[in-house]
Amino acid sequence: DAEITQSPRHKITETGRQVTLACHQTWNHNNMFWYRQDLGHGLRLIHYSYGVHDTNKGEVSDGYSVSRSNTEDLPLTLESAASSQTSVYFCASSTGLQETQYFGPGTRLLVL
Amino acid sequence: SQQGEEDPQALSIQEGENATMNCSYKTSINNLQWYRQNSGRGLVHLILIRSNEREKHSGRLRVTLDTSKKSSSLLITASRAADTASYFCATYASGGSYIPTFGRGTSLIVHP
Repeated sequence: DAEITQSPRHKITETGRQVTLACHQTWNHNNMFWYRQDLGHGLRLIHYSYGVHDTNKGEVSDGYSVSRSNTEDLPLTLESAASSQTSVYFCASSTGLQETQYFGPGTRLLVL
Repeated sequence: SQQGEEDPQALSIQEGENATMNCSYKTSINNLQWYRQNSGRGLVHLILIRSNEREKHSGRLRVTLDTSKKSSSLLITASRAADTASYFCATYASGGSYIPTFGRGTSLIVHP
């Protein structure tokens, strides 16, 4: 069955370190998204991609970057982790624009 | 600012009762989607309703959309303890935006 996976599921890091969160989908979806979820804010869009070599900034992109070298993967990099980036991160993919999104299980990141 | 806002923020009911939660939004939309999130998990898509539709059903779920009031409701009939979760609405604004905006969610607790 097609799926979307994230790794690691839990991560503890220190401020200033570079961290990369992996997202891999086997749906063959062109569209992929990264969100963060914090209490009181719901889901906020960080970056998104409509296809290979395409990346776009979302609502809260500062301090994050993504790259899309193939259809299946959209890794999220925190260039220099900050305590404010402690959050739960979700990756999602969708078939078409404005269509159903399929979410991964999430990565809990703690920045100390 | 949030495009979609769920109401109430929290809802506590007994098994067998109906649960109704609402989503209000600010700008014209192409479609509205409802998602469920169980504790510690990713979001799962429930229903997508397009702007030219007024009502959709899926099993025990009923979604209505009133574009004149810019609001949607999700009704879960004959609730079960397994329906305990957070429920989110996501909207896609009309006018060419392909970015979803999620509300902060309604936390539903169904007591057995």
